[in-house]
Amino acid sequence: AQKVTQAQTEISVVEKEDVTLDCVYETRDTTYYLFWYKQPPSGELVFLIRRNSFDEQNEISGRYSWNFQKSTSSFNFTITASQVVDSAVYFCALSEAGSGGYQKVTFGTGTKLQVIP
Amino acid sequence: NAGVTQTPKFRVLKTGQSMTLLCAQDMNHEYMYWYRQDPGMGLRLIHYSVGEGTTAKGEVPDGYNVSRLKKQNFLLGLESAAPSQTSVYFCASSSSARNTEAFFGQGTRLTVV
Repeated sequence: AQKVTQAQTEISVVEKEDVTLDCVYETRDTTYYLFWYKQPPSGELVFLIRRNSFDEQNEISGRYSWNFQKSTSSFNFTITASQVVDSAVYFCALSEAGSGGYQKVTFGTGTKLQVIP
Repeated sequence: NAGVTQTPKFRVLKTGQSMTLLCAQDMNHEYMYWYRQDPGMGLRLIHYSVGEGTTAKGEVPDGYNVSRLKKQNFLLGLESAAPSQTSVYFCASSSSARNTEAFFGQGTRLTVV
């Protein structure tokens, strides 16, 4: 069974600090996809990044970066020079083939990030 | 560009009442999903649909029914609401490939008293 663990329930940082959100996953599939979503206080989940299991290249997008390591089954998310607008709940998710061909997605329980001005 | 729209945004029900949540997407996506979000439990899949006229059970389907009569709409019904169904409900859609991201609605906060 697939599983996604976000051990950090809540994190508080002071503005401009760097912060890393951890995500550890379990799956038996060799082909799978990992996602990060952001849920700001407004409530709607917003897609941030997708990574497939064959691409371990780290990715950087502005102040955001992602570190995917298959050896440790981790897909961690780092925000550099955090800002108040980064305050949100962040979800890591794992997608693999479900029965009937649908996209079986398992979400972690989320990490609430509070950036203090 | 509307994306995924859910109605209503808020609702309070009495135990035993019924209601229907409506989800509409304008991206021509094949896949649609209903999730519930509860504190400390992340998002859990209630039901999903892989195309017009099809529905299937997810992780926590009991007490809910769904219908997908039109490709763009996915309805979630509660026939007899219970306090345990107090939650925030999210609808999402995605294209047919499993490597694509899901687009979420803004959520419906439901309270059953």
